[in-house]
This record gives sequence, C-alpha cells and structure tokens, in this order.
Amino acid sequence: GEDVEQSLFLSVREGDSSVINCTYTDSSSTYLYWYKQEPGAGLQLLTYIFSNMDMKQDQRLTVLLNKKDKHLSLRIADTQTGDSAIYFCAEKRADRGSTLGRLYFGRGTQLTVWP
Amino acid sequence: IAGITQAPTSQILAAGRRMTLRCTQDMRHNAMYWYRQDLGLGLRLIHYSNTAGTTGKGEVPDGYSVSRANTDDFPLTLASAVPSQTSVYFCASSDGDFGGGEQFFGPGTRLTVL
Repeated sequence: GEDVEQSLFLSVREGDSSVINCTYTDSSSTYLYWYKQEPGAGLQLLTYIFSNMDMKQDQRLTVLLNKKDKHLSLRIADTQTGDSAIYFCAEKRADRGSTLGRLYFGRGTQLTVWP
Repeated sequence: IAGITQAPTSQILAAGRRMTLRCTQDMRHNAMYWYRQDLGLGLRLIHYSNTAGTTGKGEVPDGYSVSRANTDDFPLTLASAVPSQTSVYFCASSDGDFGGGEQFFGPGTRLTVL
C-alpha cells in the first residue's frame, strides 16, 4: 500500500513490555523512525534505525526491522506511566522524480499505561 | 537555543478571514515543513521547502500557501479560512538529506475556524 500503517491503540500495565508495530511502504527507504508525542506537545524523535540494520537497542527501547516484510517494531521494556503518549512510525523515502527524501508518517499509536 | 518556535499558540478565527501562522527556526536547517494533525488521520504534509527560495506541495496543499524568503522563517497562510481547516498545525525543520534527516518539530498551533 501507499500508507505507513500502525494500529491506533495499545494498552499495557505498568512494568510490562509494550510492542508497537508498523508496516511501511518502500523497501528502499533509508531510515525508519519512531517519534513520541506527549499531550499538547509536538513530536520528538525517540529513535531511528538505518535500513542496513536489523536491530537497535537504546536503554529500554528496542527497534526491530524486517526489511523483507517492511515491518518495524518498537519495544519498550518496563513500561512506565510516563511512557503514555502517541507513537508515530515514519519512513524516509524520496518523492517521485526527486532524489531528496522526506518523511512519511503513520497515523500514530496511542499507548496507555495503567498502574 | 530555542529550536523551532510557532505563533500563535492557539487561535479562534471566523470563516473567511485570512490568517498567517508563523514558524521560525534557529538551527540553520535547509528544509522546513508544515503539517496538520487531525484525530485519527495522523500527520499530513501541507507544504514543504527544501531550501530558502523554494517551496513544494505536500499531500493536502489546497487552501494554504507558504513562502520561504530566508532560511529561518516559513509562514503558512490561509487566504480564506474554512471550518475544515480546524486542526493543530506543526512546523518542522531538518537538515534535508544530511545525516539521518531527523525532523525537529515546533510546539504546534491549535486553530479553530468557526
């Protein structure tokens, strides 16, 4: 498809792991991103992965990339109430007829963490 | 370092009025973007600029115009606002294709058109 797809809602208990999934569109996309948006704020980059990597770990965050299936996931270990936010998946791909890349975002996954 | 600033923070506007949303960045980024965020639709790109003096249309450009007279400023204008333009508007900037191309976002402008 043409859109970056992600589920809209995820609810987990505090202390559990959260896994947010995303399907992107272009196997030649060079970078894949996860952005976090807290209520009333703009988006902030959480982490990103280059397309030649399968996995990237950064403290409680683990990003897995399956290029064959064009599938990206974000795992948050030991999820805290402060992790409640909207998480956006994004891919960097070039516009048709252009060599410049820009970001295409999914619709966002609302993560709710309950005590 | 302020990063990206947007003004106003919020605005209520009568339909038919003209409105300019301001965006300024101090990171000397080449590329700038305007998105609108609507519930259930995520972020949709309105217009972008890869460098000062150039602009391009995004996914939903109708009813909006932009200009990029210099590197720092990228105003978005609604010539004659309509209620369907009620949304939260985010400005972003990046170094274009340099490095990972991370986009930095402003805090947003909440616009209500009545």
